Amino acid sequence: DAGVTQSPTHLIKTRGQQVTLRCSPKSGHDTVSWYQQALGQGPQFIFQYYEEEERQRGNFPDRFSGHQFPNYSSELNVNALLLGDSALYLCASSYAGQGYNEQFFGPGTRLTVL
Amino acid sequence: AQSVTQLGSHVSVSEGALVLLRCNYSSSVPPYLFWYVQYPNQGLQLLLKYTTGATLVKGINGFEAEFKKSETSFHLTKPSAHMSDAAEYFCALIKAAGNKLTFGGGTRVLVKP
Repeated sequence: DAGVTQSPTHLIKTRGQQVTLRCSPKSGHDTVSWYQQALGQGPQFIFQYYEEEERQRGNFPDRFSGHQFPNYSSELNVNALLLGDSALYLCASSYAGQGYNEQFFGPGTRLTVL
Repeated sequence: AQSVTQLGSHVSVSEGALVLLRCNYSSSVPPYLFWYVQYPNQGLQLLLKYTTGATLVKGINGFEAEFKKSETSFHLTKPSAHMSDAAEYFCALIKAAGNKLTFGGGTRVLVKP
């Protein structure tokens, strides 16, 4: 079992550009959540996808959008990048049939915006 | 709205000493509680979780935590610190039937030889 995988590992962009991050969930999982972890802080919930729909969203602007594919993998898109978007982006997967929604995390994508 | 507070952003312990990381929470409904560990440049690894039942839960690497509803706390302990315990630790909660994890600010643990 490969666990949760994310790509790319690192990414450098400039202000105003757009970026796409990718996530493959753990085998058997059908739900993907995305979190942003700024340096020195705890992760903040961006949104969650289930059955190819956004199920819940955190307090992030519309510049942040996502998608889930039929194979449960997911993408996070960020438009019009700002310096403040520099962070570690974590993907977590879970199985919706489990009551307490235990989430397994990938290694993250480190985004640097210059 | 729910929240998690971790007391102490940095903790320094000697190798072999007790590790105690404090976590208090606020939630309008009964939460499920988690402790995660993050090593440098890595993602989050689950240490242990409280869902229902026994309030003292044991996790990996010798860690354990006790859920105290009356104190709204979920403190993490390890009797004897090891150098490999140096990492950042996050307490988190999810509401029953909820979707998102709410994290505390994290506590960085330094282990001195």
